Amino acid sequence: AQSVTQLDSQVPVFEEAPVELRCNYSSSVSVYLFWYVQYPNQGLQLLLKYLSGSTLVKGINGFEAEFNKSQTSFHLRKPSVHISDTAEYFCAVSRGGGFKTIFGAGTRLFVKA
Amino acid sequence: KAGVTQTPRYLIKTRGQQVTLSCSPISGHRSVSWYQQTPGQGLQFLFEYFSETQRNKGNFPGRFSGRQFSNSRSEMNVSTLELGDSALYLCASSVATSGTSGDNEQFFGPGTRLTVL
Repeated sequence: AQSVTQLDSQVPVFEEAPVELRCNYSSSVSVYLFWYVQYPNQGLQLLLKYLSGSTLVKGINGFEAEFNKSQTSFHLRKPSVHISDTAEYFCAVSRGGGFKTIFGAGTRLFVKA
Repeated sequence: KAGVTQTPRYLIKTRGQQVTLSCSPISGHRSVSWYQQTPGQGLQFLFEYFSETQRNKGNFPGRFSGRQFSNSRSEMNVSTLELGDSALYLCASSVATSGTSGDNEQFFGPGTRLTVL
C-alpha cells in the first residue's frame, strides 16, 4: 500500500523568502506524484505532477518539485513567495488509473508581509 | 471546457436526516471520486465510480453511498446524519480508462460544505 507523509503541518514564511514544503512517500511499486493547492473555500488545484523522466518538475505559479527516488521524497519549492501563495498544499501519490489517489495531511503555508 | 461542478455549495441538516450531493464531472471524464475533508482528519477518500460502477472504496460506514449515471454525473448520499459528518465534501473527476493506464490526475470541484446540527 502507498502512504504519504507531509513533514510540516504549518510553514510560516516572510514574503519574497524561499520556501520548501516536504513530502515523503512509501510504495513498493512505481507511482505518480502530485502537488495540489487549496485556497480558502475552494477545491484543490493541481500545481505539478511527476510521471517519469526529469526529476525536476516545474509547475504553475513559479513552484517546482524534485523527485528523489532513493530518499522517496518529492519536496515542493518556490524561490520567492508572495502573499497570494498563502494556502494549504497537499502531496499525493497514485499508482495510476483504476487506483485511488492517496493524499497527505496537508501543509498550511502562511506568507507574512 | 467547464470544470467540475458540485451542488449545492452549502447545506445545513439536522441529525438523523439524510442528504444527497451532486457532482458533474468535466466533459469526457468517466471517473468520479468523492472525498471528505475535515480539519481533524484531513482529506479522506470515500469512493470512486467509473462507468456507473464503484471501482474503489474508502473506510466509511455504509451510511455513505454513491452512484454514477450513464452521463458520468455522480451523486453521494449520507443517511442518518451525525454531527461528525459535518465536512467539506469534494468531488473530483479524471480521464480514466477501464484499465490502469494514465496518471489519474484529479480535477476537483469547489465542494459542498455540509453542516449537521
